[in-house]
Amino acid sequence: NAGVTQTPKFQVLKTGQSMTLQCAQDMNHNSMYWYRQDPGMGLRLIYYSASEGTTDKGEVPNGYNVSRLNKREFSLRLESAAPSQTSVYFCASSEIGRTSGLYEQYFGPGTRLTVT
Amino acid sequence: QKEVEQNSGPLSVPEGAIASLNCTYSDRVSQSFFWYRQYSGKSPELIMSIYSNGDKEDGRFTAQLNKASQYVSLLIRDSQPSDSATYLCAVIWGNYGQNFVFGPGTRLSVLP
Repeated sequence: NAGVTQTPKFQVLKTGQSMTLQCAQDMNHNSMYWYRQDPGMGLRLIYYSASEGTTDKGEVPNGYNVSRLNKREFSLRLESAAPSQTSVYFCASSEIGRTSGLYEQYFGPGTRLTVT
Repeated sequence: QKEVEQNSGPLSVPEGAIASLNCTYSDRVSQSFFWYRQYSGKSPELIMSIYSNGDKEDGRFTAQLNKASQYVSLLIRDSQPSDSATYLCAVIWGNYGQNFVFGPGTRLSVLP
């Protein structure tokens, strides 16, 4: 199992450009998430999807859109990139753990995005 | 606003000592608690989860939960230099579905 994969690993954009970050998981999880991580801020939720066909806003959704294409894939789109969106973006998926009985969340390797 | 707070550190401990990491949260309507380890430049990795008051042990790691005082802690026994990382505390709130709210993390440095 590859777990959670993300593409690209690195990206540099100019202000106003658009791009889509791709995420896929092969663990058959229902829930998927997009976070951004900035120094000293921890992980902040952008959007999440509790199941295929549903998406909900998180703490910092402005400037982003998402698509839950199917159970495996959850993409994040920046329509008009701004320098404030320079960050590390993590995709994650979660399911109830067999032994813990609690939701367990697994992260992809991240995308380092710089907007100039 | 749901909040999770952690001391940003760095917390420095000598090799072989016990490292104690603390996390407080703002709302009593919380459900589950998690500790993640994040090495520099890498993604977070789940190391412990806890739901009930008291202690939960897994190898060198012990998670402690006190819902009345609204804190959760992580103890690392026999700390090793390989434990040097940032430790993130996360909480699922009772009425917040499956959303994880993360603290800013505490940077731990284990000195050889």
